[in-house]
Amino acid sequence: DTGVSQDPRHKITKRGQNVTFRCDPISEHNRLYWYRQTLGQGPEFLTYFQNEAQLEKSRLLSDRFSAERPKGSFSTLEIQRTEQGDSAMYLCASSLVGNPAEAFFGQGTRLTVV
Amino acid sequence: AQSVTQPDIHITVSEGASLELRCNYSYGATPYLFWYVQSPGQGLQLLLKYFSGDTLVQGIKGFEAEFKRSQSSFNLRKPSVHWSDAAEYFCAVGAQFGNEKLTFGTGTRLTIIP
Repeated sequence: DTGVSQDPRHKITKRGQNVTFRCDPISEHNRLYWYRQTLGQGPEFLTYFQNEAQLEKSRLLSDRFSAERPKGSFSTLEIQRTEQGDSAMYLCASSLVGNPAEAFFGQGTRLTVV
Repeated sequence: AQSVTQPDIHITVSEGASLELRCNYSYGATPYLFWYVQSPGQGLQLLLKYFSGDTLVQGIKGFEAEFKRSQSSFNLRKPSVHWSDAAEYFCAVGAQFGNEKLTFGTGTRLTIIP
């Protein structure tokens, strides 16, 4: 297993367009997290899944954002009607349920809204 | 709510010199603590973690960190830095129970001078 994989690595879109990102976690990991990182800041939690169930969403996740993990494997994060403020690095991480747990991060998708 | 403070935005160190990056956390119980490193345009790589037990933890690339409960600190150290250590370093805190999402500090950018 090569780790957490994210696609695309870079996305440039015009304001108002919809975008979708994909994350493939480490295969045996049942937890999957999405984080957003803006320039000069640390990653901020957006949402997480345990298997296919979305268990928590941050207040940062506006109605324009939706995430799915349909079969408990890969996940998608869609942003509708993108705004310039959505420009950020979107990071995906996966982990095993348990105590302790440790999250492994993908390389991220850099979104630029012009 | 949990929080992390990294008081140093940017640190410059000469190659071969020692390094200490500061991290203070706020959490109501015993936390999980992590240090991650991020190279430009890349995802996060876990350097080390503290869950319980010995308060001095060893990580990859010659890094170590010490958990001090009385000071709510988890400072990262390295006795002799290499040019390849130049990167952004993030401290993070996670809950011991629950969804184990991470709360990150704003990061410390490390510059190495020859």
